[in-house]
Amino acid sequence: GQQVMQIPQYQHVQEGEDFTTYCNSSTTLSNIQWYKQRPGGHPVFLIQLVKSGEVKKQKRLTFQFGEAKKNSSLHITATQTTDVGTYFCAGHSSNTGKLIFGQGTTLQVKP
Amino acid sequence: DTAVSQTPKYLVTQMGNDKSIKCEQNLGHDTMYWYKQDSKKFLKIMFSYNNKELIINETVPNRFSPKSPDKAHLNLHINSLELGDSAVYFCASSQGRYRGFGQGTRLTVV
Repeated sequence: GQQVMQIPQYQHVQEGEDFTTYCNSSTTLSNIQWYKQRPGGHPVFLIQLVKSGEVKKQKRLTFQFGEAKKNSSLHITATQTTDVGTYFCAGHSSNTGKLIFGQGTTLQVKP
Repeated sequence: DTAVSQTPKYLVTQMGNDKSIKCEQNLGHDTMYWYKQDSKKFLKIMFSYNNKELIINETVPNRFSPKSPDKAHLNLHINSLELGDSAVYFCASSQGRYRGFGQGTRLTVV
């Protein structure tokens, strides 16, 4: 079945360092969404990318959607302790329309 | 004014019991979901309802029975609880591509 793989599973960084998580799909996606889940919290929608090669920024967060619409990345510049949490990508399959979640990348930031 | 609210937040129960989790959304969304998040944080969809009609049932044991009395509510009833049912269950709703999640119900089966 269709899979959305996310790497790395865990990342520990020192506050101020950059962080990137990568998302890869086995099939073409109509769009990609990113969510953040704080420890003990629930997934919160961050952004959606639709166009091939699209890049969007939210303050220190940069989101990219690959040219082939099969991969995506989230980059955080100069991490802060408030960035701690698990970041999920989720892609809508072009074939089925189902939203498939990646396994998430859990970010720990050391002050 | 929580957009997607589910109750209870925590549920501890013994094996073999039957329990229900309730979910309500005030966003006016047409579609509602139940997700299960295991200890490794993997989010797996269980059910999806659109305007009270079941549209996705992802090979979930039939001990799990969703019920949607109206498009603002989607409840989850679980019969004969097993240890492996321990997880966090999230309700969500969507309109178009935006999806909002409830705060989750942490179910512990002992």
